[in-house]
Amino acid sequence: EAGVTQFPSHSVIEKGQTVTLRCDPISGHDNLYWYRRVMGKEIKFLLHFVKESKQDESGMPNNRFLAERTGGTYSTLKVQPAELEDSGVYFCASSPLQGLETQYFGPGTRLLVL
Amino acid sequence: SQKIEQNSEALNIQEGKTATLTCNYTNYSPAYLQWYRQDPGRGPVFLLLIRENEKEKRKERLKVTFDTTLKQSLFHITASQPADSATYLCARLRRALTFGSGTRLQVQP
Repeated sequence: EAGVTQFPSHSVIEKGQTVTLRCDPISGHDNLYWYRRVMGKEIKFLLHFVKESKQDESGMPNNRFLAERTGGTYSTLKVQPAELEDSGVYFCASSPLQGLETQYFGPGTRLLVL
Repeated sequence: SQKIEQNSEALNIQEGKTATLTCNYTNYSPAYLQWYRQDPGRGPVFLLLIRENEKEKRKERLKVTFDTTLKQSLFHITASQPADSATYLCARLRRALTFGSGTRLQVQP
């Protein structure tokens, strides 16, 4: 069974540009989460989808971040315009709808904003 | 708001010894605490979950305890091996995960 995949693995962009991160969860997993780790800090929650619906987006830092999950499969996280403080590692995780206990994480996307 | 704290940034031990990592939480007791392992360049991997009403949980060489009086969870790796070297994360589960900052374990051969 394929795990959670994320694309790209790395992204280097300039301040003011737009970047879109993609996450493909494990097939059949209705829960999809986005997390972020900025330099020197702990991993922090951004938002949670159940199928295509946003269940909780309380961790989204500001309106420059937009997450979508059309069709309830893969998800995208767009940052527009990117700022220096957006640099970090963005993780996606998924879990089955009935099994809220264990989340399966992707390898992360390393974003560097210059 | 509740915080999850892992006060030790790093822990170095000799192969064969038991590694003990500490996770403290503030305010109310979380219903679930989880431990994850993270290797460089990879995402966290789930290891163990312990519920508030469980005192101890074991899985092979791993053991987790939950002490609601001390507001603390301990994570033990017995007979440690160099392959156990990684960062270990404690997390509270309540809808989404709230992580501690992690403890980097180095097992010396």
